[in-house]
Amino acid sequence: DVKVTQSSRYLVKRTGEKVFLECVQDMDHENMFWYRQDPGLGLRLIYFSYDVKMKEKGDIPEGYSVSREKKERFSLILESASTNQTSMYLCASSLWRDRGGEQYFGPGTRLTVT
Amino acid sequence: GENVEQHPSTLSVQEGDSAVIKCTYSDSASNYFPWYKQELGKRPQLIIDIRSNVGEKKDQRIAVTLNKTAKHFSLHITETQPEDSAVYFCAGEKLVFGKGTKLTVNP
Repeated sequence: DVKVTQSSRYLVKRTGEKVFLECVQDMDHENMFWYRQDPGLGLRLIYFSYDVKMKEKGDIPEGYSVSREKKERFSLILESASTNQTSMYLCASSLWRDRGGEQYFGPGTRLTVT
Repeated sequence: GENVEQHPSTLSVQEGDSAVIKCTYSDSASNYFPWYKQELGKRPQLIIDIRSNVGEKKDQRIAVTLNKTAKHFSLHITETQPEDSAVYFCAGEKLVFGKGTKLTVNP
């Protein structure tokens, strides 16, 4: 059974703080993804990675960076948190290198920036 | 980039009725179209997907149809039950999701 875990379910940070969101998957998946979910906007892709140390920008990468030092771990970094980054952040992983395959999502981290 | 439009944004049906959610996409090269269900407070989970070499796929009460010429695909849920109440998302191959449809099944 695939398990994708995220380091925090809820997080409250102040404007300007550096924020780290961690995601770990235990099924040796090649691809990992970070999305943000906002009401009425669906899921929007921030960054994804198809291999260790590889990353590609998604649709809304501004204000974010990522790190993938190990295959099972994908980190999302907010260099200087802003209030418009208050959102639900979802991590996901998928097995195949190409994009056409099931994504397994983590439980999400609800981030509030005050 | 790819654009995926999903309609309706909300849908309310009586238990036992059918529900249909439609998505249109812009990238004619897309070949993979998944549907995810997200229950309140839970993570999205894949419920069905279709690849462009078939026009329809069924799994018990849910089905997905694909019209590549018109660039749209639809989710069909028959004999709806209260536990079908959730937000449903379609997506295109390039990881662009629709904005979601909140389905409410009234007992």
